[in-house]
Amino acid sequence: QSALTQPASVSGSPGQSITISCTGTSSDVGSSDFVCWFQQHPGKAPQLIIYDVSERPSGVSNRFSGSKSGNTASLTISGLQAEDEADYYCSSYTTSNTRVFGTGTEVTVL
Amino acid sequence: EVQLLESGGGLVQPGGSLRLSCAGSGFPFDNYVMGWVRQAPGKGLEWVSVISASGVLSYSADSVKGRFIISRDNSKNTVYLQMNSLTAEDTALYYCAKAPQNRGWQFDYWGQGSLVTVSS
Repeated sequence: QSALTQPASVSGSPGQSITISCTGTSSDVGSSDFVCWFQQHPGKAPQLIIYDVSERPSGVSNRFSGSKSGNTASLTISGLQAEDEADYYCSSYTTSNTRVFGTGTEVTVL
Repeated sequence: EVQLLESGGGLVQPGGSLRLSCAGSGFPFDNYVMGWVRQAPGKGLEWVSVISASGVLSYSADSVKGRFIISRDNSKNTVYLQMNSLTAEDTALYYCAKAPQNRGWQFDYWGQGSLVTVSS
């Protein structure tokens, strides 16, 4: 199972919106309602920020939103803040009863 | 408060074995899927294995299939990862995580990780 493809890095200025793409195949992202996103700060464990493609867990800022079209899922961070600087990973359930993660995206707040 | 506490990591020689444990608290352990995800130094996340709430079903990544075995003891609120035939490529921080049932194993809480180093 190959990793989902994400851009290595994305940057934006405070207050701007950025979008991170996550491209898979019809065997994972394209066929799954169970796409999620994680935020990971340096030296910390990943934190779930989006599940079921577009749902936010309790306590997660509504500045984070998720969507999916075909084999590509997307995470949008609006009103970018300094605390959003972190690594972001997408993940999808697959038709082989496994999960696969994305390659990861480093977000930099300029 | 949900807590997941991993233990058992350390330095092991190539070809050796190690067993990781993860004790959960603050939630009904036997109602949740449990799993392991690893992260090699400076690298991304890699899904390793999951086990159903009852322990009857388990699934693993191809990279560890036949070498790693996931199990759980619901009476002890603990999930295990038995790792055999270890190679340098298995060197990573191993996270334990929980997931709701029937939701495609989307991990909602993670432990802080247990470091496994495979080296001679």
